Amino acid sequence: DAGVTQSPTHLIKTRGQQVTLRCSPKSGHDTVSWYQQALGQGPQFIFQYYEEEERQRGNFPDRFSGHQFPNYSSELNVNALLLGDSALYLCASSQGTSGTDTQYFGPGTRLTVL
Amino acid sequence: AQSVAQPEDQVNVAEGNPLTVKCTYSVSGNPYLFWYVQYPNRGLQFLLKYITGDNLVKGSYGFEAEFNKSQTSFHLKKPSALVSDSALYFCAVRDMGGSARQLTFGSGTQLTVLP
Repeated sequence: DAGVTQSPTHLIKTRGQQVTLRCSPKSGHDTVSWYQQALGQGPQFIFQYYEEEERQRGNFPDRFSGHQFPNYSSELNVNALLLGDSALYLCASSQGTSGTDTQYFGPGTRLTVL
Repeated sequence: AQSVAQPEDQVNVAEGNPLTVKCTYSVSGNPYLFWYVQYPNRGLQFLLKYITGDNLVKGSYGFEAEFNKSQTSFHLKKPSALVSDSALYFCAVRDMGGSARQLTFGSGTQLTVLP
């Protein structure tokens, strides 16, 4: 049973560019959440997708956007990259949105903005 | 609003000794509480969670955590530490009473088990 997978593993971009990160949820999961983990910090919630809609959003600017596909996979897009966007981006999947669900995390995508 | 505090950035313990990693939380309603572990350059691995019921929760790899409502704490424990337990540990909370579905994480505690 495959767990949560993310691609690419590493990415280097320059300021002002745009980036797309991808996530495939664990088998049987229909909900995807994205988190940003800056160096030395805990993960910060970006947004959550369920039934192809953004259900909740954290305190991130509109430069951060996402999408969920019918097969439950998801993309995170970041426009107009800033140096401060350099971080580990984590995708987590879960079953439903009841609140009791456990989120399972992928290995992350390390984004470096130069 | 929901928040988590992990008061210790670093915890050192000798192999074979018991370990405790501390976590306190703040929510407006009742909490769902989680512990995750992160190894270098890896994602987060789920260890255990408290939803309701027994205050002592048992999880993966011999870890357990005790929920204390009066002290708003959810400390992670293990009776006998292994060198392989050395990693970064995160406590997270979700407020049952709110509309939030996201997890709020603490800043993490680096556990080092000395051989």
